[in-house]
Amino acid sequence: GAGVSQTPSNKVTEKGKYVELRCDPISGHTALYWYRQSLGQGPEFLIYFQGTGAADDSGLPNDRFFAVRPEGSVSTLKIQRTERGDSAVYLCASSLGGRGGEQFFGPGTRLTVL
Amino acid sequence: AQKVTQAQTEISVVEKEDVTLDCVYETRDTTYYLFWYKQPPSGELVFLIRRNSFDEQNEISGRYSWNFQKSTSSFNFTITASQVVDSAVYFCALSEANNPVGGGADGLTFGKGTHLIIQP
Repeated sequence: GAGVSQTPSNKVTEKGKYVELRCDPISGHTALYWYRQSLGQGPEFLIYFQGTGAADDSGLPNDRFFAVRPEGSVSTLKIQRTERGDSAVYLCASSLGGRGGEQFFGPGTRLTVL
Repeated sequence: AQKVTQAQTEISVVEKEDVTLDCVYETRDTTYYLFWYKQPPSGELVFLIRRNSFDEQNEISGRYSWNFQKSTSSFNFTITASQVVDSAVYFCALSEANNPVGGGADGLTFGKGTHLIIQP
């Protein structure tokens, strides 16, 4: 079956612009996660959805970042007024949910803010 | 708060050598999960193993083995008879299961990774 897909694979934008990053999880996976990976670092947790609701958004760095999952499947990460420091690879993962579940990762979206 | 430390930033060995990647974790929870992921040059994270805090039994899968020791808060990963295709960045990660906010399926806390280079 299809894995986690993310679009676009690359996004270049200018400082101050708004961007949306999309994640399509594995069918049937109720849990969805967003992470951010900077060069030379491990992925950093941003937000976790269980179904349609954000169960934990403690990793979002500030209020410029927002994510939605309106129908419990596809999710969109939204970044307002982008800054150069937002440049990173944004990773999405999904799992069946439940404690300690294996998370399957997508290929990521490389965001570059000029 | 949870923390994962991978002290080895980069390891380089010659093919067929055995190599161990270290992982030390910190958590205040009694129930937690430990993971190893592989990130090849293509960039996509590949799941390798999951361990829960109540299962200290070591595991072997082909050339891969894992040593989980709660007494030292370590979860080390050994590759036996390394191959060039093992070259990648390897991440150790931790998930706490008692976080009421997360509902039990928490986000992972990753270490900074170990870049493993297998030379032919």
